[in-house]
Amino acid sequence: GESVGLHLPTLSVQEGDNSIINCAYSNSASDYFIWYKQESGKGPQFIIDIRSNMDKRQGQRVTVLLNKTVKHLSLQIAATQPGDSAVYFCAESNFGNEKLTFGTGTRLTIIP
Amino acid sequence: KAGVTQTPRYLIKTRGQQVTLSCSPISGHRSVSWYQQTPGQGLQFLFEYFSETQRNKGNFPGRFSGRQFSNSRSEMNVSTLELGDSALYLCASSWDRTYEQYFGPGTRLTVT
Repeated sequence: GESVGLHLPTLSVQEGDNSIINCAYSNSASDYFIWYKQESGKGPQFIIDIRSNMDKRQGQRVTVLLNKTVKHLSLQIAATQPGDSAVYFCAESNFGNEKLTFGTGTRLTIIP
Repeated sequence: KAGVTQTPRYLIKTRGQQVTLSCSPISGHRSVSWYQQTPGQGLQFLFEYFSETQRNKGNFPGRFSGRQFSNSRSEMNVSTLELGDSALYLCASSWDRTYEQYFGPGTRLTVT
């Protein structure tokens, strides 16, 4: 069945360094992928998305890379800040389907 | 623009009772999705409503139900509560199949 998983449950990064969070997905029919950030006591916050016809997309300090060959997704955060500490989820879906399938999440901790 | 709001934020119920949670989407958004978040299962899709119709449903028992009103506000109901229903229930809204879903802060339900 569909599943979206993460390679690492926790990640600690020195403030100012770059971080990379990885995600594997199993549904080759998925054509839309999203990264969410969830801080304690809050709902998930949209970070960036990418469609399957792209392999890279950049936002402010964030870059998402999609490798459809190995069904792998990554989120790169540049120059990490204390406010980046949170749990990050990848999610996948199909065009026209509102259902998101979420990964298990990676807790990112920024070390001052 | 006001974000997604959910009420109540916290709720304590006993086994066997039923509960109704409310979600007000961002103004103009017509799609409302519900998710259950638990430490063990992560974020799981419950159902999605658009124009008062359920368009999509996850793999949850019939005790979980929902509805949407003409103003796009949505409610979800859980009957005959079980201990395992303790979770953070998240609501997300979007314009319509545009993928970018905005989440509310959630309702923390504790079943004792």
